[in-house]
Amino acid sequence: AQKVTQAQTEISVVEKEDVTLDCVYETRDTTYYLFWYKQPPSGELVFLIRRNSFDEQNEISGRYSWNFQKSTSSFNFTITASQVVDSAVYFCALRGETSGSRLTFGEGTQLTVNP
Amino acid sequence: EPEVTQTPSHQVTQMGQEVILRCVPISNHLYFYWYRQILGQKVEFLVSFYNNEISEKSEIFDDQFSVERPDGSNFTLKIRSTKLEDSAMYFCASSASRTGSYGYTFGSGTRLTVV
Repeated sequence: AQKVTQAQTEISVVEKEDVTLDCVYETRDTTYYLFWYKQPPSGELVFLIRRNSFDEQNEISGRYSWNFQKSTSSFNFTITASQVVDSAVYFCALRGETSGSRLTFGEGTQLTVNP
Repeated sequence: EPEVTQTPSHQVTQMGQEVILRCVPISNHLYFYWYRQILGQKVEFLVSFYNNEISEKSEIFDDQFSVERPDGSNFTLKIRSTKLEDSAMYFCASSASRTGSYGYTFGSGTRLTVV
């Protein structure tokens, strides 16, 4: 069985603060993929990143960075110098090799960035 | 950038009526999916479709649901006799590979309201 836990239901920060969104996953598969999606107030799901289980290199994309740690089964997402436009719900998701093609999503973290 | 297109963006229907949600996946993708998000909750997998047949479905996808690829471009989700609890955002997604190694692209969603 696959499971994704995003323990932070809501986070509120002031603009320009750094913020980290936590994601902990469970899977028995040795091969799996992890994803982050952003859901702005308009409702669509915007793909942010995909990482496979064999690539533990951390990744940076502009103000976004991701920290993948297999030892703790975590795939955390950090936004540096947050902006009001970052306000959204962020979902972490997992697809394991034996779970067919389905993505298992976490509960999501509502991030509010205040001016 | 290629995108998944969903229509309509919002549909209101009476309980017991049939609805068809429509999606146009990315043209060179072979794998298609429907997901559901009840308001304020996480995104849940419904069904995956490949080579003109269902490849996987969740326990949510019961006999009132069906999917079809009626032509070379559209992918539809039919709900035969809607219930109040079917009110949700329905997302269509597509991918180039079964593993999602190139990612899953989601549409903007159809918000279904059953009254």
